[in-house]
Amino acid sequence: GAGVSQSPSNKVTEKGKDVELRCDPISGHTALYWYRQRLGQGLEFLIYFQGNSAPDKSGLPSDRFSAERTGESVSTLTIQRTQQEDSAVYLCASRRVYNSPLHFGNGTRLTVT
Amino acid sequence: EDQVTQSPEALRLQEGESSSLNCSYTVSGLRGLFWYRQDPGKGPEFLFTLYSAGEEKEKERLKATLTKKESFLHITAPKPEDSATYLCAVQVPNTGNQFYFGTGTSLTVIP
Repeated sequence: GAGVSQSPSNKVTEKGKDVELRCDPISGHTALYWYRQRLGQGLEFLIYFQGNSAPDKSGLPSDRFSAERTGESVSTLTIQRTQQEDSAVYLCASRRVYNSPLHFGNGTRLTVT
Repeated sequence: EDQVTQSPEALRLQEGESSSLNCSYTVSGLRGLFWYRQDPGKGPEFLFTLYSAGEEKEKERLKATLTKKESFLHITAPKPEDSATYLCAVQVPNTGNQFYFGTGTSLTVIP
């Protein structure tokens, strides 16, 4: 079936503007994760959703970052008042059940000018 | 503190020259160890899951093994199309379903 879909694939924004990034997980996958990948660095956990449980927001770097998910479908990651240090690739991943692997989208490359 | 360390950071091989990538971890317990391949401009692509020491998985020229402290990704007779960054990740119990990723090994296979 279709993989994890992210949009837009690229986003250039001016410092101080808000941006919304979208993730469509694989159908039937109950868990959804957001990661940030800065150039030359590892994956940094941001937030995790599992069904109707309260999300694990422990990785969000500041209150400018927020995310929502409707049921077991689409998620949006919102960054308010963007800063240059927010420039990175934002990756979304989903998985079917506990202990199963994450399946990633191709990410949104965010550039803040 | 739970940590995942990958070595080497970068590796250049001649086509056909076999080698191994290392992923060592210091975690309290292990739910699973995952290997991924990441091509430039793409998201990580799942390769293998290993759950217990002694387990091995194979796919084409790749073979992943697991001990109590580390995992190896063996690449036999690599081809240029195997060039990519290889990431490993661990999932540990009682961490709220988080995955801890290493920073990856960048592999270049020269024709």
